[in-house]
Amino acid sequence: GEEVAQTPKHLVRGEGQKAKLYCAPIKGHSYVFWYQQVLKNEFKFLISFQNENVFDETGMPKERFSAKCLPNSPCSLEIQATKLEDSAVYFCASSQFGNSYEQYFGPGTRLTVT
Amino acid sequence: RKEVEQDPGPFNVPEGATVAFNCTYSNSASQSFFWYRQDCRKEPKLLMSVYSSGNEDGRFTAQLNRASQYISLLIRDSKLSDSATYLCVVAPTGANNLFFGTGTRLTVIP
Repeated sequence: GEEVAQTPKHLVRGEGQKAKLYCAPIKGHSYVFWYQQVLKNEFKFLISFQNENVFDETGMPKERFSAKCLPNSPCSLEIQATKLEDSAVYFCASSQFGNSYEQYFGPGTRLTVT
Repeated sequence: RKEVEQDPGPFNVPEGATVAFNCTYSNSASQSFFWYRQDCRKEPKLLMSVYSSGNEDGRFTAQLNRASQYISLLIRDSKLSDSATYLCVVAPTGANNLFFGTGTRLTVIP
């Protein structure tokens, strides 16, 4: 599509439950990035993909977070056993040529952990 | 030290005013620079890319000073619709992600 699509818009989970977020990049874009935005506008990089391959996962809390980009499917970000501090807006962005070029963001998924 | 630093503001300016935001970055090898705007916790939208010494797009002018490692955004003839948070974003060479400033909040007052 012409825009990055993210679902769901809002997600509420009890502490300890699983959360799964989805992202469909702009058609023709090879790179997908996941960011977490918490209070005070702090953006934290989580993980990036080049097609279905992990490009950089240095930002991922690996114990509970995992992500995939499989062919012909939306990319996904999964949080096992959510914690209160996981409450944030999760943005997905896509780029045609990689990190040094413009990234276009989806509308985000607001995750609330209660 | 943070990768990207911005004055958080807020900047409250009357309609028609000219306003400028500055941003500094710590990695001297950074190659790509962007300004995004973000409204009310919606997604960041790309406003301008700054690839060389600077560029202009209508009322918006972005400047890059590599020697001092800062980027600026100038908005002329401010409109009410310019009210938003402006994010300075840097892609350091060799890094595989973007680094964001915390944003500068602008409110344009009628």
